[in-house]
Amino acid sequence: DTAVSQTPKYLVTQMGNDKSIKCEQNLGHDTMYWYKQDSKKFLKIMFSYNNKELIINETVPNRFSPKSPDKAHLNLHINSLELGDSAVYFCASSQGLTDWGDTQYFGPGTRLTVL
Amino acid sequence: GQNIDQPTEMTATEGAIVQINCTYQTSGFNGLFWYQQHAGEAPTFLSYNVLDGLEEKGRFSSFLSRSKGYSYLLLKELQMKDSASYLCAMNYGGSQGNLIFGKGTKLSVKP
Repeated sequence: DTAVSQTPKYLVTQMGNDKSIKCEQNLGHDTMYWYKQDSKKFLKIMFSYNNKELIINETVPNRFSPKSPDKAHLNLHINSLELGDSAVYFCASSQGLTDWGDTQYFGPGTRLTVL
Repeated sequence: GQNIDQPTEMTATEGAIVQINCTYQTSGFNGLFWYQQHAGEAPTFLSYNVLDGLEEKGRFSSFLSRSKGYSYLLLKELQMKDSASYLCAMNYGGSQGNLIFGKGTKLSVKP
């Protein structure tokens, strides 16, 4: 039973295209996240949603738009892809605890290559 | 602002003990996480510290000193499968789940 799943695992596309990455969690968690891990392996938060509401929106180009149809899903749509978007994108989820120790669990990642 | 730092690479021998350090600066500190990431895989949760002291979980232990802005991950009886990147991440005040990750320490375990 996969806890946090992402599709696709690999995505190769041309500059200028629009693409989406899907994420689903079956842990019953309230909060979901998108992270970007670049070629230097630096993992950086992009967005987080709690019960379908946006709560973190770091400095990310407008071309990136998250969409949460329900609390078990958080999809990432990217418009007008650029070379610099090439990275591994990780989805994660957590219970959404308001106090300490809200552990995040990561999906397997989507390796995006923009040519 | 927030800042978190850890060594880029470390090498150790199978069966040995290794300590991976992490220093951080932030306001509104809510705890420190350690994650393990094997090449090409997702980060997986190892430990969480919010109070000063040592937390032990089998071969892995994690230590925190809030006054010094310092944590370490201690790995004992190293195995080849422990070769991975180890990421420290601080949870800071503001929105829930705000984690800032360090750049990771790539640990290579040699026979």
